[in-house]
Amino acid sequence: GAVVSQHPSWVICKSGTSVKIECRSLDFQATTMFWYRQFPKQSLMLMATSNEGSKATYEQGVEKDKFLINHASLTLSTLTVTSAHPEDSSFYICSAASGSSGELFFGEGSRLTVL
Amino acid sequence: AQSVTQLDSHVSVSEGTPVLLRCNYSSSYSPSLFWYVQHPNKGLQLLLKYTSAATLVKGINGFEAEFKKSETSFHLTKPSAHMSDAAEYFCVVSEGFQKLVFGTGTRLLVSP
Repeated sequence: GAVVSQHPSWVICKSGTSVKIECRSLDFQATTMFWYRQFPKQSLMLMATSNEGSKATYEQGVEKDKFLINHASLTLSTLTVTSAHPEDSSFYICSAASGSSGELFFGEGSRLTVL
Repeated sequence: AQSVTQLDSHVSVSEGTPVLLRCNYSSSYSPSLFWYVQHPNKGLQLLLKYTSAATLVKGINGFEAEFKKSETSFHLTKPSAHMSDAAEYFCVVSEGFQKLVFGTGTRLLVSP
């Protein structure tokens, strides 16, 4: 099946720094990608919808200046957590929609720990 | 807005016994429903999906789910649990174009 790759799989950073997480569709083009956040032992919460070549659409309550999303190509979307703080520590998961089938494929997630 | 309710936060079974993970949905129209599995620190894998075709949906690894409109349910079952089935399971409803709404998850524990 289609593969979605996230990088890094885990990252530790100091408070106040920015962290970029990449989401790549390896064998298909994805005009739309989604970013989710998952707190420990909780469900996934949709943060934003990323559309290639246009601005991301953020869900209510998600700070767009805090979580910068760029979808510059049909195979890559990036999530940058700016000026990270300990409360931003979480598991971030992306998904990509296959243009041909419309099916969603999920990345393996990126665990962010902010010290 | 659509939503799903997973009735059990944890389910414990013995290996070789049946599995039942319960899910009820709320939708104003005919929904698309999914079950995903997540192993620790991993992404999500699609088990099966219902998109208004057959009400009994067969998925991977021996799982299946039945869409019951009268009960607004989409319970996940497996006849015989395997140790490798231990994971978190999410019932999901589609809220329009590929926008997914996740349930709170059910952790399946399988004992030898």
